[in-house]
Amino acid sequence: GAVVSQHPSWVICKSGTSVKIECRSLDFQATTMFWYRQFPKQSLMLMATSNEGSKATYEQGVEKDKFLINHASLTLSTLTVTSAHPEDSSFYICSAKDPGQGNEKLFFGSGTQLSVL
Amino acid sequence: GENVEQHPSTLSVQEGDSAVIKCTYSDSASNYFPWYKQELGKRPQLIIDIRSNVGEKKDQRIAVTLNKTAKHFSLHITETQPEDSAVYFCASTPPGANNLFFGTGTRLTVIP
Repeated sequence: GAVVSQHPSWVICKSGTSVKIECRSLDFQATTMFWYRQFPKQSLMLMATSNEGSKATYEQGVEKDKFLINHASLTLSTLTVTSAHPEDSSFYICSAKDPGQGNEKLFFGSGTQLSVL
Repeated sequence: GENVEQHPSTLSVQEGDSAVIKCTYSDSASNYFPWYKQELGKRPQLIIDIRSNVGEKKDQRIAVTLNKTAKHFSLHITETQPEDSAVYFCASTPPGANNLFFGTGTRLTVIP
C-alpha cells in the first residue's frame, strides 16, 4: 500500500511555543492530505483538508490561525501548532489518498504525540 | 452531513471466538465503507473495505457485511487471536466527499 511518513513521532514543548509537524507521501503524489486529531480513547476528528497549492479547508471549530497548514508540494504537507497550550496536547495524525489506488483508500502517517507543558 | 455510529465501544472475547462490530450511517448515498485497526499509539491500518454495490466481502478471518436498506455495516472477525486486540474504527464516505467520516471506535480485547 501507499506509504505516508510523519515526523516527528513525539514532541514535548513549552507553552507558548510553536511546533511543526511534517507529513510526506513517499511513493505517490497527494494533491490532498488530511489532518486529524485524536484525544485518548476517542475517535479521529478531522481538523482540516490540505490542498496542494491552495488554502486549506478547516472544519468547524478549528482555528485556522492556530493550526497553520502548508501544502507546498505534491508530497509534503505541514501542520504548525502556533502558541501551543496544554489543551493542544493530543495525537495528531495525517493521511492521504493514493490516486493510483482508486483515490478511496485513506493511508495514515504514524502520528505525532504532542505534549505541551 | 454524514453521521456514523459504532457499537459496542468495548468488546471482550475469548481467544478462538468470533467478534462482531456494528456501524450505522445516516447518508443513504454513502458508497464506500472501510474498517481500520489501530494499535495503541500507532497509525490506523486499513484492514478491509466494501463498496455499496457489494453486500459482503471476506479476507481470511475478516469479513464485512453491508445492508444498504438499513444503512448499517458490520465487521466480523472469526477465530480471534490475541494479536487482534486493538481499537477498530468504521468509516463511510458520501459521494462527492473527499474525507472519511469515522465511527467512535471499538476497543476489542481477545483474552488468551
